[in-house]
Amino acid sequence: EAGVTQFPSHSVIEKGQTVTLRCDPISGHDNLYWYRRVMGKEIKFLLHFVKESKQDESGMPNNRFLAERTGGTYSTLKVQPAELEDSGVYFCASSQDPANTGELFFGEGSRLTVL
Amino acid sequence: AQSVTQPDIHITVSEGASLELRCNYSYGATPYLFWYVQSPGQGLQLLLKYFSGDTLVQGIKGFEAEFKRSQSSFNLRKPSVHWSDAAEYFCAVVPLGPRNNNDMRFGAGTRLTVKP
Repeated sequence: EAGVTQFPSHSVIEKGQTVTLRCDPISGHDNLYWYRRVMGKEIKFLLHFVKESKQDESGMPNNRFLAERTGGTYSTLKVQPAELEDSGVYFCASSQDPANTGELFFGEGSRLTVL
Repeated sequence: AQSVTQPDIHITVSEGASLELRCNYSYGATPYLFWYVQSPGQGLQLLLKYFSGDTLVQGIKGFEAEFKRSQSSFNLRKPSVHWSDAAEYFCAVVPLGPRNNNDMRFGAGTRLTVKP
């Protein structure tokens, strides 16, 4: 069974440009999460989808970030326009039933470097 | 403030030596507790978790962790470290239980180096 996959693994862009990160969750997992780790600090929650609906987007830093999950399968996270402080590693995670198992399955992360 | 603290940013141990990685949390009620590991080029992998019951939890790869309510700690241990254990380790908590998994909060991570 394929795990959570993220693309690209690394993206280098200039300030003001746009980047779109993609996450493919484990098949059948309705719950999809985005997290971010900036400059070696703690991993911070961004948002949570249940199928195609945003369950909680309280961690999104500002309106330059847009997450979508059309059809309840894969998800994209767009940063537009990117700023220097957006650099970091963006993790995606999925779960079938977090209420019972408590476990999130994570992808390898997408490293974003904004110059 | 509510937080998850991993006091050690980087730890180096010799192969075969014992290991203990510290994790402390500050929440009003006992949260659900997790340890994840990220090996180079890999995603975060769950090592073990604690919800309730026996305070000594066994995980994968020979790891265990002990929940100590009085110390608000959930330290990760391994009796004999292998070179393949070199990775970054993250302690995580869910303050309100797994029904609020969107609220999973992580420590800053501890990087483990294993000397031959």
